[in-house]
Amino acid sequence: DQQVKQNSPSLSVQEGRISILNCDYTNSMFDYFLWYKKYPAEGPTFLISISSIKDKNEDGRFTVFLNKSAKHLSLHIVPSQPGDSAVYFCAAKSRGGGADGLTFGKGTHLIIQP
Amino acid sequence: GAVVSQHPSRVICKSGTSVKIECRSLDFQATTMFWYRQFPKQSLMLMATSNEGSKATYEQGVEKDKFLINHASLTLSTLTVTSAHPEDSSFYICSARDPQLAKNIQYFGAGTRLSVL
Repeated sequence: DQQVKQNSPSLSVQEGRISILNCDYTNSMFDYFLWYKKYPAEGPTFLISISSIKDKNEDGRFTVFLNKSAKHLSLHIVPSQPGDSAVYFCAAKSRGGGADGLTFGKGTHLIIQP
Repeated sequence: GAVVSQHPSRVICKSGTSVKIECRSLDFQATTMFWYRQFPKQSLMLMATSNEGSKATYEQGVEKDKFLINHASLTLSTLTVTSAHPEDSSFYICSARDPQLAKNIQYFGAGTRLSVL
C-alpha cells in the first residue's frame, strides 16, 4: 500500500524552463512533507520542506506547493539547470506518537535537456 | 553542517555471514537515527528507529533478531545483518536528525549496497 505516490518515473525538461514534480499521498496523518534530491552513488540530499499548516514554501529556484484537500504536493524548479538532473523523492512524516520515520515515494528521475 | 557518513559503501559476502554497517553523524550529535532499505525500483522503506542509549524501534515485518541495531553513542549507530541470505541483498541507508536544526529534517548517509552470494 503506497502511501506516498510519485506517478511519473521520469520527466524530461528543457534547460531554462520550469520543472514540475508531483506527489500524492493518502495518509491524513501526514503533517510534514519533504523533497530530497539524489545523485547516483550518493545519499538523498534535503532540498525543501513544507508543514501542513502552509500551502507554499519557497527557497530560491525551488517552490513547494501543498494542496491538503487534494492530498497533493508539487515541487517547482525554475529555471531548470543541468545540475538539477537527478532523482527527486517526495517524503512525508506523520504527526505525533513518536512516528518520526519518513514515508517515501518511489522517486522521479528529472532529466534537464540542454 | 549536518553531515552523515555511512560505511562501507558496498559489501559482498557469502550466505550465512554477518555484516555490520556503520552510520556516523560527523558534525552534530544525533539522539535518533533511522535505518531504511531500498529494493530495486522501490521507495526507501523505514526499517527501524535507532535511539541512543535505548532499544531500537522496529517497523512491522522487520525482524529485530535479524537486523541488530546498536546506538551506543550520540554520533554512531550500527546495523548488523546477521546470517545474511541472498534475499537480504539490498541498498541500506541511514539518516539522522540534527536537534540544533529543524526537527523534521533527516540527513542521509550515502548508503550501503549489500550483495549476499
